[in-house]
Amino acid sequence: EILMTQSPATLSVSPGERATLSCRASQSVSSNLAWYQQKPGQAPRLLIYGASTRASGVPARFSGSGSGTEFTLTISSVQSEDFAVYHCQQNNNWPPTFGPGTKVEIK
Amino acid sequence: EVQLVESGGDLVQPGGSLRLSCAASGFTFSSYWMHWVRQAPGKGLVWVSRIDRDGTSTSYADSVKGRFTISRDHAKNTLYLQMNSLRGEDAAIYYCARDAGDLISINRFDSWGQGTLVTVSS
Repeated sequence: EILMTQSPATLSVSPGERATLSCRASQSVSSNLAWYQQKPGQAPRLLIYGASTRASGVPARFSGSGSGTEFTLTISSVQSEDFAVYHCQQNNNWPPTFGPGTKVEIK
Repeated sequence: EVQLVESGGDLVQPGGSLRLSCAASGFTFSSYWMHWVRQAPGKGLVWVSRIDRDGTSTSYADSVKGRFTISRDHAKNTLYLQMNSLRGEDAAIYYCARDAGDLISINRFDSWGQGTLVTVSS
């Protein structure tokens, strides 16, 4: 089973700042990496798939990059509605596995 | 609009059973593989189970294999998770999720329900 790790666990940012979240896989997952956003009390929402493709309706301030074992989610200018937990997930190997999440909080 | 609505979560004693349901609408239910994913309080997401489009192929996480059974009813557009021999570590919010694959499973989740809470305690 592929182990996914994320850093930092918590990221404190001010609105308008850039946020950079990292996700690492214990072995290569090629570009089969997705990012989900989860707000308190809500279900996860697919943001990015294929490491860098935005899902339908996702604002352009969200971008993903990376391949192999190292991935990054960048929010170019954090808005108030972006404060949430972000999970990465690999779908290259069986079973699908998630990282523990990064909480983006208001500084 | 795709909608997934879970129900059936409850407080159950260790060793007990529970059946979760997920009512699907807004898409052709029979065309998609479906999954259950859970999240313990304050923890990350964990994949639990998957079922193919016609209900003949199922897969489970090792932690629930032999205790949980996933199934689906196309007449009712509903996904189920039968949970037996429940343990404390099964306590979580259970989400049903649609596989993003077109007719095949790619194990990525493009729509999620709001979840249903399972509490296991004596």
